[in-house]
Amino acid sequence: EAGVAQSPRYKIIEKRQSVAFWCNPISGHATLYWYQQILGQGPKLLIQFQNNGVVDDSQLPKDRFSAERLKGVDSTLKIQPAKLEDSAVYLCASSYRGRPQVAFFGQGTRLTVV
Amino acid sequence: GNSVTQMEGPVTLSEEAFLTINCTYTATGYPSLFWYVQYPGEGLQLLLKATKADDKGSNKGFEATYRKETTSFHLEKGSVQVSDSAVYFCALSVTSGSRLTFGEGTQLTVNP
Repeated sequence: EAGVAQSPRYKIIEKRQSVAFWCNPISGHATLYWYQQILGQGPKLLIQFQNNGVVDDSQLPKDRFSAERLKGVDSTLKIQPAKLEDSAVYLCASSYRGRPQVAFFGQGTRLTVV
Repeated sequence: GNSVTQMEGPVTLSEEAFLTINCTYTATGYPSLFWYVQYPGEGLQLLLKATKADDKGSNKGFEATYRKETTSFHLEKGSVQVSDSAVYFCALSVTSGSRLTFGEGTQLTVNP
């Protein structure tokens, strides 16, 4: 079974630039999650999708972050404009039935904002 | 709000040593508790879980017991191996479908 795929693995941008991350979940997984993991901290949920609908985006900084999952499969997370404090690893995860406890995680995208 | 606190790390041990990584939590209601592991270059993986007080989760020689009276879920292993070197995260969720709240993680390095 193929795992959760994320790209790119690494990204370095200057502050105020924009950036986008891509995630391809495990086939058949209806629920998709984006987490932000700042160095020295645990992952924090940014947004959860069920198919192409948003279930939880209460911790997403909506003034600069956006995410979409148009066809209920792949997803993109965008930051515009980026700030220094957005430097983190962005993790994508998917699960079969909306249970984050049994989600499968991708390797993440490490973003550095300089 | 809900929160998870792990022991300040990192932890460095010799092979075959006994491991304890402390985890305490604050939550409304009766959460389920989890330990996740992140091996170098890999994604997070669920290691073990416990869903109610006094439950013991176990996997790959690791164990953790849900202690409601001390609001703790400490991770233990009797004899660590070099291959156990990873970052370990304690986490909770209040209901089955609710978001996970993670601790800050503990880096474990096991030397041969």
